[in-house]
Amino acid sequence: SQQGEEDPQALSIQEGENATMNCSYKTSINNLQWYRQNSGRGLVHLILIRSNEREKHSGRLRVTLDTSKKSSSLLITASRAADTASYFCATDDSGGGADGLTFGKGTHLIIQP
Amino acid sequence: NAGVTQTPKFQVLKTGQSMTLQCAQDMNHEYMSWYRQDPGMGLRLIHYSVGAGITDQGEVPNGYNVSRSTTEDFPLRLLSAAPSQTSVYFCASSYSGGHSPLHFGNGTRLTVT
Repeated sequence: SQQGEEDPQALSIQEGENATMNCSYKTSINNLQWYRQNSGRGLVHLILIRSNEREKHSGRLRVTLDTSKKSSSLLITASRAADTASYFCATDDSGGGADGLTFGKGTHLIIQP
Repeated sequence: NAGVTQTPKFQVLKTGQSMTLQCAQDMNHEYMSWYRQDPGMGLRLIHYSVGAGITDQGEVPNGYNVSRSTTEDFPLRLLSAAPSQTSVYFCASSYSGGHSPLHFGNGTRLTVT
């Protein structure tokens, strides 16, 4: 079953604008990760944020985590055409079960030049 | 450094045929996994392995077999292909399951007619 749900499902913005994607999940987690997928390619890891962290930065990316609301957000600042891709959140669930990540359905981001 | 290598890139099967999707990694990762990606469904975990000789089921294991005889290789076998197995299959590896970032291959696009 899906753990994460990204919102919105699709987002189209102008180059240079900021893009924000949200992820909600259902159960307790060890960490939450964000991945990017370009068309026809595998997923690429962007950021891992642990359950005891609230915010993390990597270049133009900023991720926040609110475990009380079971939600996370990914902010891409000063977007570029090359940021066009699908973005997925994935959770490492702490409740036992299969060892692996549970992925959401993704947000498809389009950067208009 | 090749990372995670999947072969073939594309495959068409007839219902009832069997085949093996190959996955190899050169990062000495103990953890390897197989996901399938379907439109609107995100990625779902099929099988995973936490080390040579150890395999376990994920969320959607029916119709698939795996084995892990070496650290490097983790093949996925379709026993008797069905149209419902039409999907894109991704192999991924990491140092420590969901506790660390996953490294993905570029996928195998499988069509079952």
